[in-house]
Amino acid sequence: DSGVTQTPKHLITATGQRVTLRCSPRSGDLSVYWYQQSLDQGLQFLIQYYNGEERAKGNILERFSAQQFPDLHSELNLSSLELGDSALYFCASSPRDAGGYGYTFGSGTRLTVV
Amino acid sequence: GNSVTQMEGPVTLSEEAFLTINCTYTATGYPSLFWYVQYPGEGLQLLLKATKADDKGSNKGFEATYRKETTSFHLEKGSVQVSDSAVYFCALSTSYGNNRLAFGKGNQVVVIP
Repeated sequence: DSGVTQTPKHLITATGQRVTLRCSPRSGDLSVYWYQQSLDQGLQFLIQYYNGEERAKGNILERFSAQQFPDLHSELNLSSLELGDSALYFCASSPRDAGGYGYTFGSGTRLTVV
Repeated sequence: GNSVTQMEGPVTLSEEAFLTINCTYTATGYPSLFWYVQYPGEGLQLLLKATKADDKGSNKGFEATYRKETTSFHLEKGSVQVSDSAVYFCALSTSYGNNRLAFGKGNQVVVIP
């Protein structure tokens, strides 16, 4: 157990639908990062939050959004889902300065859009 | 911008063989370098790290040395086991900007008994 909890582990939904993925960071970590992993794109950084505020955006689609709550858990919202959104979505957390610490990853949510 | 390049393609080798996975990077400033491992069906786990030039990270028989002159952080293991079969990702992070990790594309390693 890495200390980063992601739910649900698996999600199957239809095109056009909306889903919410949840992440609880490791105790004491203030930063949360979301990554998408697909076979053709590899690991793509989506977005980072630090202590409730958005800090960085990567290759996140406008149909996707995220937030971090006062208790530091984070949610990634995916809407108007397309077949191509099927992927593994990972959450990671770190202390504020990740330069020397690296990240702790959760076990991921596998999203299948049918 | 920051980027990491890993050698192309999967790596297949026999048990007890020597493993090398190449990783080179481009970065602003002085990055920290990492190797992560992803076992089938699991998330990424930090394998080892190095935070400054000439540092050697090591864990579970794996080693990598931070080479600033060649901007490289190659992963090595002297004698692999079947249980080392996994995907290995090289990554870097700098103290500038937003501290997010930039990952290479990963290498699938398959160890055959």
